[in-house]
Amino acid sequence: DAGVTQSPTHLIKTRGQQVTLRCSPKSGHDTVSWYQQALGQGPQFIFQYYEEEERQRGNFPDRFSGHQFPNYSSELNVNALLLGDSALYLCASRLVGASTYNEQFFGPGTRLTVL
Amino acid sequence: SQQGEEDPQALSIQEGENATMNCSYKTSINNLQWYRQNSGRGLVHLILIRSNEREKHSGRLRVTLDTSKKSSSLLITASRAADTASYFCATGGTGKLIFGQGTTLQVKP
Repeated sequence: DAGVTQSPTHLIKTRGQQVTLRCSPKSGHDTVSWYQQALGQGPQFIFQYYEEEERQRGNFPDRFSGHQFPNYSSELNVNALLLGDSALYLCASRLVGASTYNEQFFGPGTRLTVL
Repeated sequence: SQQGEEDPQALSIQEGENATMNCSYKTSINNLQWYRQNSGRGLVHLILIRSNEREKHSGRLRVTLDTSKKSSSLLITASRAADTASYFCATGGTGKLIFGQGTTLQVKP
């Protein structure tokens, strides 16, 4: 049973560039959430996708956008990169309605460095 | 923004000792979860406690919840070097988790 996978593992970009991060949810899961974790901080919720639509969004600018595909995989796009976007980006998946609480399964993350 | 604060920010103990970390939160909750993160990688779910529970155990883990004080604690008994990691509490609704800033635990062999 494959867990949550993310690609790439590491990424280096320069300011102003655009980046796309990818996530495949755990087998059987249909909901994907993205989190940003700055060094020394807890993860912060970016947004959540379910049925190919953004369902919830955290306090992130429109430079952060996403997409969910029919196979439930997801992409996170960040435009006009800033130095402050350097962080670990985590993807988490869950199955809506499968449990009475919101346990999420996290991937290993993508480390983004903006120079 | 973060839901609350965790205390201490860092903790260093010897193998075999117990480790206690605390979490405070700001708003009413339905449940509170604890996660572990090794070396800045993905988070692993440890335990969930519901708002109507006061204490819960899982192996060497013991979690307490005091909703009147809006706080929770995680106790790891008989710690091992492999317990070295960052520990986060998280609250949230349907899918959106709100994390604390975490406690970094170092267990020395």
